[in-house]
Amino acid sequence: SQTIHQWPATLVQPVGSPLSLECTVEGTSNPNLYWYRQAAGRGLQLLFYSVGIGQISSEVPQNLSASRPQDRQFILSSKKLLLSDSGFYLCAWSLTGPFVGGYTFGSGTRLTVV
Amino acid sequence: GNSVTQMEGPVTLSEEAFLTINCTYTATGYPSLFWYVQYPGEGLQLLLKATKADDKGSNKGFEATYRKETTSFHLEKGSVQVSDSAVYFCALSADLSGGKLIFGQGTELSVKP
Repeated sequence: SQTIHQWPATLVQPVGSPLSLECTVEGTSNPNLYWYRQAAGRGLQLLFYSVGIGQISSEVPQNLSASRPQDRQFILSSKKLLLSDSGFYLCAWSLTGPFVGGYTFGSGTRLTVV
Repeated sequence: GNSVTQMEGPVTLSEEAFLTINCTYTATGYPSLFWYVQYPGEGLQLLLKATKADDKGSNKGFEATYRKETTSFHLEKGSVQVSDSAVYFCALSADLSGGKLIFGQGTELSVKP
């Protein structure tokens, strides 16, 4: 069966420090991968998605970047965190091709920038 | 562009009450529609889905019908429980080639005993 792992679960980082959040998927090949952010009291905002190794699409201009160095690994990074980067970050995967299956989400990383 | 609008929360109900959470959408073509649930401190879980007009998705006593004529996908449950307390997200995908999901803003449900 397919599983998705996200870590760390919680993170407190000072302003200006770097960030690296990792997401890995098991039990499937060539998935679509997504990073979402959920700010406090707000909905889900799609940050990045990837349809293959090295292929990253950015949905919003921001302080963050994403990389996909391996088929089932998706990394969210920042060189210098801002206070506004605080939020709940969710990784998700879906099957490629005609879209009928929905996403499977990881358990999320709660990031607090202080 | 494509978008999803949900009723604002929080919604507070007593146990065994009837639940409706409204969701309407704007999309080109024929999107697939989804409801996700987020329990406190957790990620999102797919609750139910519908991929074409007049389809009814159902799971755990929840159901929603894909209404193309009113561009709606309202979530309903006949008798809510305290354990249903969570945030509910309506979402659509109109991208047949890859499937970016567009979410509504979420509706918080609180069920009191």
